[in-house]
This record gives sequence, C-alpha cells and structure tokens, in this order.
Amino acid sequence: NAGVTQTPKFRVLKTGQSMTLLCAQDMNHEYMYWYRQDPGMGLRLIHYSVGEGTTAKGEVPDGYNVSRLKKQNFLLGLESAAPSQTSVYFCASSYSSQGGMNEKLFFGSGTQLSVL
Amino acid sequence: AQTVTQSQPEMSVQEAETVTLSCTYDTSESDYYLFWYKQPPSRQMILVIRQEAYKQQNATENRFSVNFQKAAKSFSLKISDSQLGDAAMYFCAYILNYGGSQGNLIFGKGTKLSVKP
Repeated sequence: NAGVTQTPKFRVLKTGQSMTLLCAQDMNHEYMYWYRQDPGMGLRLIHYSVGEGTTAKGEVPDGYNVSRLKKQNFLLGLESAAPSQTSVYFCASSYSSQGGMNEKLFFGSGTQLSVL
Repeated sequence: AQTVTQSQPEMSVQEAETVTLSCTYDTSESDYYLFWYKQPPSRQMILVIRQEAYKQQNATENRFSVNFQKAAKSFSLKISDSQLGDAAMYFCAYILNYGGSQGNLIFGKGTKLSVKP
C-alpha cells in the first residue's frame, strides 16, 4: 500500500517553461488537494478536488491548473513557470473533506521545484 | 481572516524532558477541528494529534497531549519524555466543520523543535 505518491521529487525549471506534477493515491479517496510550502510558512492550498472530474480553487490558485480525470490521480500544471513558484509542493488525499473521527489527510512526500 | 499563530519559531528541549509548543488561532466559528502535524527533515507531513472543538476533554496520543482552551482559542502541544526522533518542524492547523471547508486546512508557520542528547 503506497498511500500518496508524488512524481517527480525534484525539478528545476527555467522561467517560462511548463511542467506537470503527478499525484497518485491508492486508497480510493474522494478528495485530493495540492498545497505549496514556502520557507517560514505553513502549507497553503492551491487547488482541490472533491471527486473525479471536479476541481476547485484554493487559497493561492493563480498560475496553476489542475485536472482530475481519474479518481486516483490529481495533476498540477504550471503553464509558464515563474521564480515566485519556487516552492515545495505537497499532494494530499482524504476520504471526506474535513477532519473527523475516522479520517485524516494523507500527504505525499513533496516535490521540490526550483524556477530559475 | 482565519489565522493560526505559532509564536515560537524555534524551541529546544533536553532528551527525556518535557516541552510545550504554543498555538493560537482566530475564527468566529464554533465547530472545527484542530491538528498538530510533524514534519521531519524527510518532508513527510505526519499527523501527531487531533482535537474536536466540541470536546472539552484534551486529546492524548502516547507522549503527546494538548491543552485546548476554546474560549482563549489556544491549542498547545505538550511532548513528554522527549526523544531524538521528535526533532522536527511542528505545524498547528485547523479546519472548519462544515461542507464548504473542502479541506482548507489553515496552517501556522511552524515551530522548529530541536532535541539535545
């Protein structure tokens, strides 16, 4: 049982390049999320999905797009990378949308992205 | 605005001793969940402990316990018998308990805990 898997783990981009981060979960979770973590900051929500075929904006969505074509996968895209998008990106999944007695957010191990 | 404040950027504790990490939060809602997450150098986010706001009893998980003061909007984490493996960044977070929250965990900026042998 792999849990939440993120690929790649590290990436360096030049300004203006595009890339896609892949998140895969094998727990049959309905909800998936993309967060970014900047130095000295907690995690901030970029986009999320409440089920296959759905996406919605979080706190800091500008410059990113997402897709959830399959329930187990949640893709985060950067169409034209900027230095301000240098960050560590975390994917997470959960059975339902909020903390409760029987569920929690499961996090991937993060992707370190540097934009030069 | 919903915020979480961790006033201690760094803390240090001697192995086997007890340390308390502070957290205050700001929300006008009454129903929510509070969390402490641990992030070791591996970057993995690990849930340490969870508290339901409607419960007065403080949550406990082995050596980890919280002091939840709802009126004061305070949620501190106590680590007893500190171990070298407890060294990590600790994040306090909360989420509102209604359908529209959609997993928007609000995080503090973290406290870096060092454990001295």
